[in-house]
Amino acid sequence: GAGVSQSPSNKVTEKGKDVELRCDPISGHTALYWYRQSLGQGLEFLIYFQGNSAPDKSGLPSDRFSAERTGGSVSTLTIQRTQQEDSAVYLCASSATHEQYFGPGTRLTVT
Amino acid sequence: GEDVEQSLFLSVREGDSSVINCTYTDSSSTYLYWYKQEPGAGLQLLTYIFSNMDMKQDQRLTVLLNKKDKHLSLRIADTQTGDSAIYFCAETVYGGSQGNLIFGKGTKLSVKP
Repeated sequence: GAGVSQSPSNKVTEKGKDVELRCDPISGHTALYWYRQSLGQGLEFLIYFQGNSAPDKSGLPSDRFSAERTGGSVSTLTIQRTQQEDSAVYLCASSATHEQYFGPGTRLTVT
Repeated sequence: GEDVEQSLFLSVREGDSSVINCTYTDSSSTYLYWYKQEPGAGLQLLTYIFSNMDMKQDQRLTVLLNKKDKHLSLRIADTQTGDSAIYFCAETVYGGSQGNLIFGKGTKLSVKP
């Protein structure tokens, strides 16, 4: 079946611009996660959605980062006023139980 | 806080066994995972072990868990060049079965023909 999909696969933006990254989880998965992967910091948790519960935002690095999950399915991660240190691969994962399945990621480059 | 440590590099010859080691700090972790990442790709879930087990075998993969020492290992038998990748160890947090994962920095496995 279809896995987790993310778009765009690559995004180049100028410092100070806003960006939106999209994640389509596996159908029926109630949990959705965003992580960031960078050379210096490795894999970092950003935010976690579980069903209709309030999201766990404890990993968001600043208030420039936000995420929504509409209708319990698709999620959008928004980064406002991008900075060069936001350059990374943004990974989305979804799960029905405890096993998290990852998408291919969006590579964000801030110039 | 929680932390997961792995050695950064491992080099083996094709056909040999590879053993990738990991230590973790959260004794309440319910599950521990191994993920594989090939260049330019996302993370592929390889296998996992429940915290009340000490060994799990899945084809060429064997996971060993020493809960007392908080040590996890992944053994790949008959390593092939296609196994060359970065391997990440991860633990769940908060002692639950869902919730975010904490990852190690990854071990880059190089398989020489």
